[in-house]
Amino acid sequence: GQQLNQSPQSMFIQEGEDVSMNCTSSSIFNTWLWYKQDPGEGPVLLIALYKAGELTSNGRLTAQFGITRKDSFLNISASIPSDVGIYFCAGQKGNTGKLIFGQGTTLQVKP
Amino acid sequence: DTAVSQTPKYLVTQMGNDKSIKCEQNLGHDTMYWYKQDSKKFLKIMFSYNNKELIINETVPNRFSPKSPDKAHLNLHINSLELGDSAVYFCASSQTGTGLSGNTIYFGEGSWLTVV
Repeated sequence: GQQLNQSPQSMFIQEGEDVSMNCTSSSIFNTWLWYKQDPGEGPVLLIALYKAGELTSNGRLTAQFGITRKDSFLNISASIPSDVGIYFCAGQKGNTGKLIFGQGTTLQVKP
Repeated sequence: DTAVSQTPKYLVTQMGNDKSIKCEQNLGHDTMYWYKQDSKKFLKIMFSYNNKELIINETVPNRFSPKSPDKAHLNLHINSLELGDSAVYFCASSQTGTGLSGNTIYFGEGSWLTVV
């Protein structure tokens, strides 16, 4: 089935460092979403992007919807230990609610 | 209050059994979903219902039968459980919208199913 290519697969960083992860696709999406999943929990929505070129921030998080509509990135600035988790990008075509997910980026932060 | 709640959170059962997972959302959304997360953490949609009508069925085996008694509930019944059904099943919901924020999807906390 269709997948998004999300990278990196995992990151191990020092507290205070900035983090960047991205997703690419061979096809166009009209919505990009970024979720975070903590162990034993469901994905929690971080940022939703609805327009090509859109740049949106949520606290220390910033995400952009690529101008080609085939990619998106998520930046986390000044990482803290509670940023630990798995980050998923997800793309949506149309208005069906069917999300195509990336493989996830596992983030570990060393205090 | 939990927006999307599902029960049970953990379920261990033997092969061949039939089991159900229940989901309720109190967000007033008109669309509900079941997603499956495998052992590699990959998430994939199984079903979606809009106002109790099946919209998406992603070639899931017919041992899986969703039921939506009303738009706030979507249950998942699984017959003749197999080892490969072991996974985390997430319920989710969204509101169909014509604006930019339409169909933002919110997930429940998941049901961890282990078939032994």
